[in-house]
Amino acid sequence: TQLLEQSPQFLSIQEGENLTVYCNSSSVFSSLQWYRQEPGEGPVLLVTVVTGGEVKKLKRLTFQFGDARKDSSLHITAAQPGDTGLYLCAGRTGRRALTFGSGTRLQVQP
Amino acid sequence: DVKVTQSSRYLVKRTGEKVFLECVQDMDHENMFWYRQDPGLGLRLIYFSYDVKMKEKGDIPEGYSVSREKKERFSLILESASTNQTSMYLCASSFSQIWRPPRDIQYFGAGTRLSVL
Repeated sequence: TQLLEQSPQFLSIQEGENLTVYCNSSSVFSSLQWYRQEPGEGPVLLVTVVTGGEVKKLKRLTFQFGDARKDSSLHITAAQPGDTGLYLCAGRTGRRALTFGSGTRLQVQP
Repeated sequence: DVKVTQSSRYLVKRTGEKVFLECVQDMDHENMFWYRQDPGLGLRLIYFSYDVKMKEKGDIPEGYSVSREKKERFSLILESASTNQTSMYLCASSFSQIWRPPRDIQYFGAGTRLSVL
């Protein structure tokens, strides 16, 4: 059973479109992170959100942590081919290690 | 820049072989992790280590063991490789005090794609 469910699993869009990726759980997390993984590479951290309701912006990417700290979303405005990759959310529940979501594979067509 | 290096990008092994995957980090991180990544399943934690000679089981430790004799090196061992262990293996490291952002960043290696025939 996946502790963190991501949706959608796959997303193929045209350059310039907007999109939202969701990360949901029944568990409360002390913090939640988003990583992006490009082909042939390991995941790289994009952001950490800690406070319920927190919103963080990273250029065209907007991250939100749910008020109850059980869910998160990633919104990309005007997607570009360079945004192509696997997006992973990861939550911390107090263990030393993170729990990763199932991932959303994004393809942005030029 | 933090560097996490995995010794091999691709490995092909036979069923029943003993397999060693090596990982080295150069940032003096206390924590090191081994994950396996399969399509649709995200990253699943196999083992992690928070200090030299210390280890804890992750979510899927069966069929694997680990060794951490030096702080910078964390090895994953498949005692007798099986076909269901064909996967991408990712190593990561981080500082301790993970409850204090930004010290909770995990840095990943590029991965080892293991095929067991």
